[in-house]
Amino acid sequence: QSVLTQEASVSGTVGQKVTLTCLGNSNNIGRNPVGWYQQISHGAPKTVVFGNSRPSGIPDRFSGSRSGTTASLTISGLQPEDEADYYCSTWDYGLSVAAFGGGTKLTVL
Amino acid sequence: EVQLVESGGGLVQPGGSLRLSCAASGFTFTSHNMKWVRQAPGKGLEWVSHIDIRSTMIFYADSVKGRFTVSRDNPGNSLYLHMSSLRAEDTAVYYCARDSGLGGTLDYWGQGTLVTVSS
Repeated sequence: QSVLTQEASVSGTVGQKVTLTCLGNSNNIGRNPVGWYQQISHGAPKTVVFGNSRPSGIPDRFSGSRSGTTASLTISGLQPEDEADYYCSTWDYGLSVAAFGGGTKLTVL
Repeated sequence: EVQLVESGGGLVQPGGSLRLSCAASGFTFTSHNMKWVRQAPGKGLEWVSHIDIRSTMIFYADSVKGRFTVSRDNPGNSLYLHMSSLRAEDTAVYYCARDSGLGGTLDYWGQGTLVTVSS
């Protein structure tokens, strides 16, 4: 069982705005920025958001936010190439572990 | 350009040992904590280990504690994971990843190296 909780699956149509969520607690998301990682067809993960930042080359349609113990990844203007598994992660100070969510499978209809 | 290149994976028998390496380039290695993350076949991402810049703060997942040892060679820009007493459930692709410095989030990943534990 993962320390962070994500939806198992989310779907959207091209051009739609979708939001993926990541639920934690006061020891992890409540204290720390969250990273969001994209994995296409079980290839190497790629970071799309860390905290409020994006690595160079990541489109600005990807954005992250955090409120209390919940983090969100919003994709504005969904594209076919965004279909992937998405994982959230942050440090958990209570457990002294890097906590990961179980991943959300995003399907672009 | 930031690059992380893992090597050292392969087939090993249960109870055996293996050392993974991660060669870092394109950034100041001594400015970043590093992590190992793995993914078993058909499963999600699982954090394995964390090492800070000076190798003074080291953490492991409970599933590997006492069997895996993380280390780094700062002059050589390399990260290592020595794995011993390997079990079938350690079979996974192992990724090294750079800590962004923001709450333990990761900003760059390697391409991964496959470790298969089987007789």
